[in-house]
Amino acid sequence: EAGVAQSPRYKIIEKRQSVAFWCNPISGHATLYWYQQILGQGPKLLIQFQNNGVVDDSQLPKDRFSAERLKGVDSTLKIQPAKLEDSAVYLCASSLTGIGYTFGSGTRLTVV
Amino acid sequence: DAKTTQPNSMESNEEEPVHLPCNHSTISGTDYIHWYRQLPSQGPEYVIHGLTSNVNNRMASLAIAEDRKSSTLILHRATLRDAAVYYCILGEGAQKLVFGQGTRLTINP
Repeated sequence: EAGVAQSPRYKIIEKRQSVAFWCNPISGHATLYWYQQILGQGPKLLIQFQNNGVVDDSQLPKDRFSAERLKGVDSTLKIQPAKLEDSAVYLCASSLTGIGYTFGSGTRLTVV
Repeated sequence: DAKTTQPNSMESNEEEPVHLPCNHSTISGTDYIHWYRQLPSQGPEYVIHGLTSNVNNRMASLAIAEDRKSSTLILHRATLRDAAVYYCILGEGAQKLVFGQGTRLTINP
């Protein structure tokens, strides 16, 4: 089966600019997750979707981050405006049952 | 979220078995033990999970202590491609996975 697709692979922006990341999960996977991974740390969950509804967004900095999942399939994560501390790898994962996530390769964001 | 404790780093030799320990003394009766690994420049990859009994798959084995307060991921014959950060995570079914720092495994040729 095809894996979780993410784009772009890399992105460099200036602080205060906006940026968006796209994720296409594995077909049929109802649950989708966005994680943020800062260099040297483990991934941190930002938001979890079940179909197109939000299950958990308690760790999402809602003043600058937003996410949506269109028709329960693709998802976009947006940052506006970006800060230096947002430099990280943004990982998307999907799961059929919640046991065994499949992660994409991530988008590496550098804010300068 | 239930917490796990893993060594920061471990080193082993190619073609030898590797035992990666994980302590989870506050595990609840319904927590699954999940293991993921992350190779350089890639997203985490599912390795194995278990609840009470030892588990085997093509990648690894998971040995769970009788009291469930610790577990060990066993790579039976390490290769250079097994060099990665290994995460031990507790999760109740479909609950979100909370990653810690993991163990950085180095494999020497």
